[in-house]
Amino acid sequence: NAGVTQTPKFQVLKTGQSMTLQCAQDMNHNSMYWYRQDPGMGLRLIYYSASEGTTDKGEVPNGYNVSRLNKREFSLRLESAAPSQTSVYFCASTDRVGGYTFGSGTRLTVV
Amino acid sequence: TQLLEQSPQFLSIQEGENLTVYCNSSSVFSSLQWYRQEPGEGPVLLVTVVTGGEVKKLKRLTFQFGDARKDSSLHITAAQPGDTGLYLCAGRGSNDYKLSFGAGTTVTVRA
Repeated sequence: NAGVTQTPKFQVLKTGQSMTLQCAQDMNHNSMYWYRQDPGMGLRLIYYSASEGTTDKGEVPNGYNVSRLNKREFSLRLESAAPSQTSVYFCASTDRVGGYTFGSGTRLTVV
Repeated sequence: TQLLEQSPQFLSIQEGENLTVYCNSSSVFSSLQWYRQEPGEGPVLLVTVVTGGEVKKLKRLTFQFGDARKDSSLHITAAQPGDTGLYLCAGRGSNDYKLSFGAGTTVTVRA
């Protein structure tokens, strides 16, 4: 099925460990986004990529880096995980004028 | 960041009852979208409203965009347990293709 694929679905990290969250879309969308979702705080934008080759910071970029590998793939990296980064992470893509298509999320726990 | 406030935060009703969820902002949006999110999944687009005063119906769901394009409402008639979920509104500014999300309204429909 067409859509946004995120891996992994679940992850437990120890404080200080690093990891990369992967995201791929097959809808030929130009724009891709990484959000985190925490209870009562809605979706907060971490980083986004308006088009292949560009990335920009969102509301809460500290502690994260991103790579727009090609038009399909947009990865999110935590260099040194902290408990405050425990959250559910969503990747999304859009053609800019339409709605967002979201992946099913990565549930990350940092202990 | 354009702030979107949703109310109420939680809503629990009996099957067959009606409900309304509100989304308000001091900012003007070029378009506003509503998403529904089920546990363990990413948000799914329900509707996009573009014109001030616009009303869209999706089966038992009615969406309205305020005349000034600063607010919106979602009304569900004769709610069913399948309507249970987190409802999110999201607005797109005139000069910004990124979406700003509200914190969401958790709707529970009891059988």
